[in-house]
Amino acid sequence: NAGVTQTPKFRILKIGQSMTLQCAQDMNHNYMYWYRQDPGMGLKLIYYSVGAGITDKGEVPNGYNVSRSTTEDFPLRLELAAPSQTSVYFCASSPLGGRNTEAFFGQGTRLTVV
Amino acid sequence: GNSVTQMEGPVTLSEEAFLTINCTYTATGYPSLFWYVQYPGEGLQLLLKATKADDKGSNKGFEATYRKETTSFHLEKGSVQVSDSAVYFCALGDSGSARQLTFGSGTQLTVLP
Repeated sequence: NAGVTQTPKFRILKIGQSMTLQCAQDMNHNYMYWYRQDPGMGLKLIYYSVGAGITDKGEVPNGYNVSRSTTEDFPLRLELAAPSQTSVYFCASSPLGGRNTEAFFGQGTRLTVV
Repeated sequence: GNSVTQMEGPVTLSEEAFLTINCTYTATGYPSLFWYVQYPGEGLQLLLKATKADDKGSNKGFEATYRKETTSFHLEKGSVQVSDSAVYFCALGDSGSARQLTFGSGTQLTVLP
């Protein structure tokens, strides 16, 4: 059971570089999410998607972009990396939304921007 | 808007001690409530959930009861083990929200042998 798979697990970027964090799920879930987790803090929603071709901003979208061309994949793009983007990034998926949201998480990507 | 307030940590207990982690919420609709657990180096996993008032969610010896009158969902375990050391997140899912979960800030639990 693969569930939600994130790659890479770790990455160090220089300021101004760009990269894409990959996320794939094999559970045929419609809803997918990107969260960031800063030390000692809870999770903040960056972007989410309710189905292929549909994305929307979360709480902290600045500096990020997403796309959802298939049900399975939901990559997160950082265009111009900044030190403030140093964080642990989690992708999650859910079969339903709203009060029935029961999210399944990937193992995370630890990103450091230097 | 929606919000979740969790008891601040870190919490350190001895093995077999009783655990309570407080969680209260504010929601625009009638939410479902969740507890997630994050073990070191891993993603979050669902621990338990409750979808309506007075429901009790339970799993692995942990319990939490959905109290609508006090807007609370406190996590309890009667006898903690070293293996329970993790970060615990309270969360809500609300039909009035943007189809997402709202998380508390997390509570770090360390259980000493």
